Amino acid sequence: EAQVTQNPRYLITVTGKKLTVTCSQNMNHEYMSWYRQDPGLGLRQIYYSMNVEVTDKGDVPEGYKVSRKEKRNFPLILESPSPNQTSLYFCASSSHLPGQSNQPQHFGDGTRLSIL
Amino acid sequence: LAKTTQPISMDSYEGQEVNITCSHNNIATNDYITWYQQFPSQGPRFIIQGYKTKVTNEVASLFIPADRKSSTLSLPRVSLSDTAVYYCLVGDRDDKIIFGKGTRLHILP
Repeated sequence: EAQVTQNPRYLITVTGKKLTVTCSQNMNHEYMSWYRQDPGLGLRQIYYSMNVEVTDKGDVPEGYKVSRKEKRNFPLILESPSPNQTSLYFCASSSHLPGQSNQPQHFGDGTRLSIL
Repeated sequence: LAKTTQPISMDSYEGQEVNITCSHNNIATNDYITWYQQFPSQGPRFIIQGYKTKVTNEVASLFIPADRKSSTLSLPRVSLSDTAVYYCLVGDRDDKIIFGKGTRLHILP
């Protein structure tokens, strides 16, 4: 089954304790992306990757890092989490750049992070 | 930075046709327009996508005028299960993806 898998689904942690949210897709997609979703603000793009070893900043990259060492994986790293990073996070993938092809994004089920 | 504008919320009744319009003034020449549906605690789910004129699939229609500065998602004969948030998405000239803030659609019995 084609899917985007995020882990963990839920995490409560404390300020400053490094954490990683993993994202894996089994569709051999080139493009992967991370979004955060906050009430009243919709989905905002954090980072995206056009291919292996190619990453770029989205709309709200501050406080986050990503890596793309393999095509299928795109982890989101919070080196020193702060309470303002408490949010619902989604990973997504598509075969090509979304919006410039007729291939839509596939989204994971989300990761709810709470930073105390 | 390009952005989209949608109504924050809409109410409708079962069996009605619902139209949600999205404005995207800075859309690039080669950008597609994509609409997603999101239920609580789930990731967005693709509904429909188009480039120009009209596109129809089994769940919705998408109307795009010639200037492509807006688009309208049309949901025919909605039911209670169509209650969700609907997002309009276009690309940005520097390859970022811009979601709108979404339209919260509430279907009443």
